[in-house]
Amino acid sequence: GEDVEQSLFLSVREGDSSVINCTYTDSSSTYLYWYKQEPGAGLQLLTYIFSNMDMKQDQRLTVLLNKKDKHLSLRIADTQTGDSAIYFCAEISNTGGFKTIFGAGTRLFVKA
Amino acid sequence: DVKVTQSSRYLVKRTGEKVFLECVQDMDHENMFWYRQDPGLGLRLIYFSYDVKMKEKGDIPEGYSVSREKKERFSLILESASTNQTSMYLCASSLSGNEKLFFGSGTQLSVL
Repeated sequence: GEDVEQSLFLSVREGDSSVINCTYTDSSSTYLYWYKQEPGAGLQLLTYIFSNMDMKQDQRLTVLLNKKDKHLSLRIADTQTGDSAIYFCAEISNTGGFKTIFGAGTRLFVKA
Repeated sequence: DVKVTQSSRYLVKRTGEKVFLECVQDMDHENMFWYRQDPGLGLRLIYFSYDVKMKEKGDIPEGYSVSREKKERFSLILESASTNQTSMYLCASSLSGNEKLFFGSGTQLSVL
């Protein structure tokens, strides 16, 4: 079945770049998403990429997609303490109707 | 902005009780979803709905049912709550099948 995997924890120093990696299994996914969950809150869409793109840049965020390896990454430049949150990778699977499949979430901890 | 509102932020119930979790969205979205979030497991889909009175099972529907009598409201029902249903429950909505999700703030349910 469909599966999305990501590491559970990442720690970086303030000002450094953070890179959160994700692998997925459904090659028919047309959209891949990154959601952010701050403490005590629901998830919010951070950014997304179409499957026919290799890269998308949005201010401090860079999303890289390697469709051959089914690998997605999120790079946060100049990481700030306010970036501390859980980041979820997600794909929309076309199998059995449109369903969003989430990874387990990567907890980013930014040290001042 | 889309608003997805969950009726309770925290809920404590006893084993065997019937539990209702309510979710309302204000943007006329077609699709609504219920997820549960557990540490290390990410988000798992319980049920979703594409239209009023329509429901589809997600990945972990056992022990749950849902109701969608009006387009804006999607209810999750635990017929007889059990301790393994202690979790964070997240409601989400989307405009169409392959669109991004908008989440509520979540309901932390504890079953004692």
